[in-house]
Amino acid sequence: QVQLVQSGAEVKKPGASVKVSCKASGYTFTSYGISWVRQAPGQGLEWMGWISAYNGNTNYAQKLQGRVTMTTDTSTSTAYMELRSLRSDDTAVYYCARRSFYGDYGDYWGQGTLVTVSS
Amino acid sequence: EIVLTQSPGTLSLSPGERATLSCRASQSVSSSYLAWYQQKPGQAPRLLIYGASSRATGIPDRFSGSGSGTDFTLTISRLEPEDFAVYYCQQYGSSPRGGVTFGPGTKVDIK
Repeated sequence: QVQLVQSGAEVKKPGASVKVSCKASGYTFTSYGISWVRQAPGQGLEWMGWISAYNGNTNYAQKLQGRVTMTTDTSTSTAYMELRSLRSDDTAVYYCARRSFYGDYGDYWGQGTLVTVSS
Repeated sequence: EIVLTQSPGTLSLSPGERATLSCRASQSVSSSYLAWYQQKPGQAPRLLIYGASSRATGIPDRFSGSGSGTDFTLTISRLEPEDFAVYYCQQYGSSPRGGVTFGPGTKVDIK
């Protein structure tokens, strides 16, 4: 069965960087993309972007351009999302999701990783 | 960027009742690239509907989606206890570089 398992919670200071991992299993990793979505406490969902696990092409949300980098390691079927220059409003649960073959929606989701930015 | 508006903000219903959730877009959603998700507290979103009306794998047939253009609807024909949750709509671009946005969500709670 398709599973996405994310790394554990992180606490970071403002200005620091965080790198969240997402290990995929149960499907051919390079046949799909991985999307990243975040959710601030008590708020709705925000799309961050996605990466093709086939060729590494990326598409980032405009508001995060320059601060976010998404990568994959096909040898371990793992995707990574790095966010730099963290601010307090980056505090959120970060989710990875398998990007459907048919469009930019997530058909299977990781369990989420809480990133807290606090001085 | 396409802005999605969901109504109502909260829907208070009893088990067995029918739920009708609305999602309206600020401009036409190309090719009905509209998805619906269910999210329960402390859990990741779960895909229910994609392409405006196609049910995802394993989703019960009491969930149905309809609509096109700027107006979309998620209907739960008879609410089960496990259906009380927050529901989000999402539009996704028609090309690999298209924009993706979510609606603010509708909470379905027990009356």
